[in-house]
Amino acid sequence: EAQVTQNPRYLITVTGKKLTVTCSQNMNHEYMSWYRQDPGLGLRQIYYSMNVEVTDKGDVPEGYKVSRKEKRNFPLILESPSPNQTSLYFCASSLSTGPSYEQYFGPGTRLTVT
Amino acid sequence: AQSVSQHNHHVILSEAASLELGCNYSYGGTVNLFWYVQYPGQHLQLLLKYFSGDPLVKGIKGFEAEFIKSKFSFNLRKPSVQWSDTAEYFCAVKSGANNLFFGTGTRLTVIP
Repeated sequence: EAQVTQNPRYLITVTGKKLTVTCSQNMNHEYMSWYRQDPGLGLRQIYYSMNVEVTDKGDVPEGYKVSRKEKRNFPLILESPSPNQTSLYFCASSLSTGPSYEQYFGPGTRLTVT
Repeated sequence: AQSVSQHNHHVILSEAASLELGCNYSYGGTVNLFWYVQYPGQHLQLLLKYFSGDPLVKGIKGFEAEFIKSKFSFNLRKPSVQWSDTAEYFCAVKSGANNLFFGTGTRLTVIP
């Protein structure tokens, strides 16, 4: 089944403890992206990647890192999480980088930083 | 900078009522427009999309949207909502580049 998977789905952590949220897609998609969803703010893009080893900042990249060493994986790294990073995170992918390509979303990761 | 506005934050309707959710965007060039739906506890799913051609686009589950270029709008409609349409709806715009810009979402509650 074609899908985008994220792990973990739920995570509660403490301020400053490094964490990684994994994202994987099995559709051989070139483009991958991370969003955070906050009430009243919709989805805001954190980082995106147009292909292996090609990443760039989205609208809200502060406090996050990403890497794209393999085409299928695009982990999101929080080196020193803070409470304002408590949010619902979505990974998405699309076949290519053109404007008409639909993005497919993962199931989301709900992160709480205390 | 691009922006997407969804003016209705929360809409409450009775079953069988008609629905129209507003979406306006600010970008003067060629745009690609999307409506996504997020059912409670689930991820975003594509409802419909507009790239070119007929400005009236039909999507899944009886939804449709009309692109009005002169008004920079892409409103979502459904003639008769069901309880199962209770969800959050997001309008999104992509313009030439790769990135989607989302509106803040509209929560729809359908009362049986």
